[in-house]
Amino acid sequence: ETGVTQSPTHLIKTRGQQVTLRCSSQSGHNTVSWYQQALGQGPQFIFQYYREEENGRGNFPPRFSGLQFPNYSSELNVNALELDDSALYLCASSLGGLAGSYEQYFGPGTRLTVT
Amino acid sequence: DAKTTQPPSMDCAEGRAANLPCNHSTISGNEYVYWYRQIHSQGPQYIIHGLKNNETNEMASLIITEDRKSSTLILPHATLRDTAVYYCIVSLPNAGGTSYGKLTFGQGTILTVHP
Repeated sequence: ETGVTQSPTHLIKTRGQQVTLRCSSQSGHNTVSWYQQALGQGPQFIFQYYREEENGRGNFPPRFSGLQFPNYSSELNVNALELDDSALYLCASSLGGLAGSYEQYFGPGTRLTVT
Repeated sequence: DAKTTQPPSMDCAEGRAANLPCNHSTISGNEYVYWYRQIHSQGPQYIIHGLKNNETNEMASLIITEDRKSSTLILPHATLRDTAVYYCIVSLPNAGGTSYGKLTFGQGTILTVHP
């Protein structure tokens, strides 16, 4: 059973640019959630994808968008980067649905620095 | 989502039990109590969850009071590798569809295990 992987590990972007972060979910999982963790804070929920559809969104502006693919991997896209977007971006995979599990498995994160 | 309150930090001697408290007085009837931990620079790790009964797994035990307004995570024999930030979270189960496992992280408890 492969774990959750994220790429890239680190990324440096300039304010105003766009970025795409990627997440491969754990084998057998159909749900991916994305979180933003600023330095010294707990992770904040961005959104969740369940079977390729957005299934809930946190308090983040529309320039944060995502995709989930048929193999349940996922992308997080952030447009018009701002300095405050500098953070660790975490994805978590889980099995959702009627026979779903309760735990979410997190990847190691992508550290994004916006200058 | 119900809010949780945890002490900002705790210390524990190696080999002793670590008891981490959490208050969640506004928890609703169908919300679960989850515990995750985050070791420095890694993604959060699922530990345990429960609804109203006490739970135990290979990592820890979860004691939930009868009124469900508080809980305690117990690490029976703490090791240096248990030093981490521990998050107590109240959330609906990850059922997909109309409900989703959005995890609302607070500041957590920094547990330091000393030799």
